[in-house]
Amino acid sequence: AQSVTQPDIHITVSEGASLELRCNYSYGATPYLFWYVQSPGQGLQLLLKYFSGDTLVQGIKGFEAEFKRSQSSFNLRKPSVHWSDAAEYFCAVDPYSGGYQKVTFGTGTKLQVIP
Amino acid sequence: DTAVSQTPKYLVTQMGNDKSIKCEQNLGHDTMYWYKQDSKKFLKIMFSYNNKELIINETVPNRFSPKSPDKAHLNLHINSLELGDSAVYFCASSQDLRTGAAETQYFGPGTRLLVL
Repeated sequence: AQSVTQPDIHITVSEGASLELRCNYSYGATPYLFWYVQSPGQGLQLLLKYFSGDTLVQGIKGFEAEFKRSQSSFNLRKPSVHWSDAAEYFCAVDPYSGGYQKVTFGTGTKLQVIP
Repeated sequence: DTAVSQTPKYLVTQMGNDKSIKCEQNLGHDTMYWYKQDSKKFLKIMFSYNNKELIINETVPNRFSPKSPDKAHLNLHINSLELGDSAVYFCASSQDLRTGAAETQYFGPGTRLLVL
């Protein structure tokens, strides 16, 4: 079955440390890939997305993600985490094969940042 | 200016009641969505509309009825509310879900529904 997996439910990092959030998908072809962030009590905001071209994608707030076809992964990274990055992070995929888009979200990874 | 707005922000009601949630976007987008986020933060699409036309209807009980009076508004009416309907409901919009260009979705702040 097609799916998107975020294996880490909860991650804690120290402020200033590097961060990597994992995302794996299971689709027949390369889907469109997204990372969204949800701050407490807020809606989701797009960090970055990939649909073609360079496999290293730059996003807002200093985030980047790398698409690795061989591993069916789209991991999110940040070299130095700030306390304001504490939030829930969602990977999302759209298998789009013509017709209309339909995005499926992963179960989310909650990021805690400690001083 | 708020891009995607929802009202109310909080909704507490009794089982069996009927309630509505309203959503408006001022981005000029053609497509709007309703998502349900449960207590475990799992986010699942319920409906999407493109230019007032229903495009996606994801096995949602027919107690849930979306209505789009124009492409800037997508309301969600829920009949006979049940305990399991308690969740956060998010409205979102995108330029056009049929372009195939990895459209960004813009989310509202959510409506927190609690059914007692």
